[in-house]
This record gives sequence, structure tokens and C-alpha cells, in this order.
Amino acid sequence: QKEVEQNSGPLSVPEGAIASLNCTYSDRGSQSFFWYRQYSGKSPELIMFIYSNGDKEDGRFTAQLNKASQYVSLLIRDSQPSDSATYLCAVNPLNRDDKIIFGKGTRLHILP
Amino acid sequence: SQTIHQWPATLVQPVGSPLSLECTVEGTSNPNLYWYRQAAGRGLQLLFYSVGIGQISSEVPQNLSASRPQDRQFILSSKKLLLSDSGFYLCAWSITKANEKLFFGSGTQLSVL
Repeated sequence: QKEVEQNSGPLSVPEGAIASLNCTYSDRGSQSFFWYRQYSGKSPELIMFIYSNGDKEDGRFTAQLNKASQYVSLLIRDSQPSDSATYLCAVNPLNRDDKIIFGKGTRLHILP
Repeated sequence: SQTIHQWPATLVQPVGSPLSLECTVEGTSNPNLYWYRQAAGRGLQLLFYSVGIGQISSEVPQNLSASRPQDRQFILSSKKLLLSDSGFYLCAWSITKANEKLFFGSGTQLSVL
């Protein structure tokens, strides 16, 4: 069964530091990868997506993809208390008949 | 720009009562539409998806059903709710199946008592 694994956390990071969130996936042929941020009681919001190996930067966020090792990570620089949320990793499998697979999320807590 | 509307925000229903949740998308045509459920402490579970009017695919057998009567309208229903139907229900849309960038509605917190 195709899976996406994340550490549930909570991951506690001091304000101003770099938060590093990791995700591994089982389907080696997966093509596209997404990070969603979900505040407590709210719906998920797409914040990053990456399709190719390497890094993709958008403001304070950097997504990193390593297809050989089957992991994708999200780095948040200069962490702010407003970054405290659950971060969901999502993977689009190779087989287009399969639906996007979500991990269960990592809770991030930024310490003021 | 595209927007997605979902209502109601919260709902408390007795066991055995019916359910109807509605979702509409504005600013795009022929979107792919999805219903997800997120139970407490669990991940997102895909319930239904639709690629067009009247086209519904069910991912998980259960007492829920979905309908798409119009291009940008997606409805989640149940004739008789179970306790296990409690959860956070999310409607989402995407441009294309291959794209799969999902954009979520604000969600409905359903409590079945």
C-alpha cells in the first residue's frame, strides 16, 4: 500500500530558528509533492509544491526533494509564532488513477 | 480568482438523522471536486471525487453519498448518520487530475451525538 510518512511531533523550535519538517513516501514513481499548512480548526492551505529533485525556495520556505531517497522536506527560516500549525505532506503517485496521498502531518510549535 | 464555499461551518446532529453538506466553486469551469474527512488525530481520508456533472467515484464504502448536480456544486449526503461519521469534512477542488494542487473549503465540523 502506498504511504506517506511524517513524524507526528510536536516539533518545538525557538522563534527565529530554522524548522525542518520531513516526509518519506513509498511510491518510487511519484511525480509531484506538496506541503499544506493547517491551523487548528481550519482547513489545509497549499504553501509549497515541488516536482524536480533539488531545492525550491519561496520566501522563508524551502522545499527539498530527493527522489532517490524518497523523501521531501520543508524548511522554514526565521520561524515565527504564526508558523505554529500542522504541516501535511502530500504526494501524487505515478499512477494517475491513484489519488493524492496525504501524510498525517507534523505539529510544529514555535516557541516565543 | 477562484473561490470555494462550504457550509455550514459547524453541525451537531443526532444519530440516525440525515445529512446534507454543500460546496460550490466560483471562478473556474469543470473543476475536479473532492470530499475529504479528517477525524480527530487522523489524516485526511478521501471520500468521494468527481471529474464532471453526475460523475462520482467513491473511495470508501460507507453510509455517505455524494452528488454533483451542477458543474461547480458538490453535495455530501447521508440518510442516517452514525456516531463514526463525526469529523471535519472538507470540500476541495483542483484544476486537473494530473495537477492535483488541491484548494480546500473552510470545512464543516460535524458532531454526531
